[in-house]
Amino acid sequence: AQSVSQHNHHVILSEAASLELGCNYSYGGTVNLFWYVQYPGQHLQLLLKYFSGDPLVKGIKGFEAEFIKSKFSFNLRKPSVQWSDTAEYFCAVNAGNTDKLIFGTGTRLQVFP
Amino acid sequence: DAGVIQSPRHEVTEMGQEVTLRCKPISGHNSLFWYRQTMMRGLELLIYFNNNVPIDDSGMPEDRFSAKMPNASFSTLKIQPSEPRDSAVYFCASSQTANYGYTFGSGTRLTVV
Repeated sequence: AQSVSQHNHHVILSEAASLELGCNYSYGGTVNLFWYVQYPGQHLQLLLKYFSGDPLVKGIKGFEAEFIKSKFSFNLRKPSVQWSDTAEYFCAVNAGNTDKLIFGTGTRLQVFP
Repeated sequence: DAGVIQSPRHEVTEMGQEVTLRCKPISGHNSLFWYRQTMMRGLELLIYFNNNVPIDDSGMPEDRFSAKMPNASFSTLKIQPSEPRDSAVYFCASSQTANYGYTFGSGTRLTVV
């Protein structure tokens, strides 16, 4: 069965620090990969997505993610975080001939001024 | 477009009562998904529809849960009878195709006392 692992459950950073959140998936075929963000008390919003082509994907708010097929990874990065990035981040994968998105358990990011 | 619209935003009910959650997907989106989010289990896919037809309901926890999509613009998730362990935030999402990712509604926070 497909699965998504986010190993960092809770990350605490100071403003201007660099961020990298890990995401690994298990599926041997073609995948579409996503990162969603959920600000406190709000719904999930799409940050970025990868379908094909350049494995380095740029999203909104200065976020980017790199697809490394050999490592089954799709890590999220941001060179300099802001207090407003405090949120929960979810990695998701869509694989096979299905419309289902399988979500990871999420990483809670806290950024202190 | 108003996005995915869910109602009610909050619902507090007594154990044993019937609860109905409603969702209006984005016009033109042909897939609709119901998720449940809890601290313990994260985001769980309950059921999804494609062109109003239920495709995968393997995530529906038990017979107390049922979902319908009578037309392309409306879906309901019903819990009868409700139990305290059903307390969670229930999200509805829709998509044109999974490649584009989902658009989530604002969720319904359900509390069963």
